[in-house]
Amino acid sequence: QVQLQESGPGLVKPSETLSLSCTVSGGSITTYFWSWIRQPPGKGLEYIGYIHHGGTTNYNPSLKSRVSMSVDTSKNLFSLELTSVTAADTAVYYCARARVQYSYDSNSVWGQGTLVTVSS
Amino acid sequence: EIVLTQSPATLSLSPGERATLSCRASESVDRFLAWYQQKPGQAPRLLIYDASNRATGIPPRFSGSGSGTDFTLTISSLEPEDFAVYFCQQRSNWLFTFGPGTKVDIK
Repeated sequence: QVQLQESGPGLVKPSETLSLSCTVSGGSITTYFWSWIRQPPGKGLEYIGYIHHGGTTNYNPSLKSRVSMSVDTSKNLFSLELTSVTAADTAVYYCARARVQYSYDSNSVWGQGTLVTVSS
Repeated sequence: EIVLTQSPATLSLSPGERATLSCRASESVDRFLAWYQQKPGQAPRLLIYDASNRATGIPPRFSGSGSGTDFTLTISSLEPEDFAVYFCQQRSNWLFTFGPGTKVDIK
């Protein structure tokens, strides 16, 4: 059964770059679309974007100028970078997998989430 | 960008009662709408995809309906573990957005 695990710093300084990885275990990273979603404390879900192992990406227009995603098939992980962070980027960050292969479908597999706080 | 609105914001019900949650899109999303359940401290769980299909392992008391701009999630008889927050999500034009959520709490 596939499992996802986010990793990265829990504290990032304002104006710096937030970097997270999501390691995929129990399955291959190929053929699926992989997503990043975040949730500020006590608030709703915000879709950040998705990436396919072949390199196709699509980002939330409100974050597009600051977001970059990549896939490392040799390590079976995908990554998120968010530049020029502010306190508004403080959130639990989730990685997730599409429900079916070859489709930017709803997300049926989720990581447990990791809290990233932006503070000096 | 397609905006999703959910109503009500909070639904207070007793175990055994029927819950009806609404999700409305600012423009048609065809049937590309999903529902998720989230409990405190947990990741969301996919309940319904493509408007009316139950995800793997989801009990039949959960059902979804609708198309275009108006969608409904129905829980036929609330179990104690169903008290949670429910989000709708649309995928259209290669973009995804979530609704703000409906909290189902115990009356």
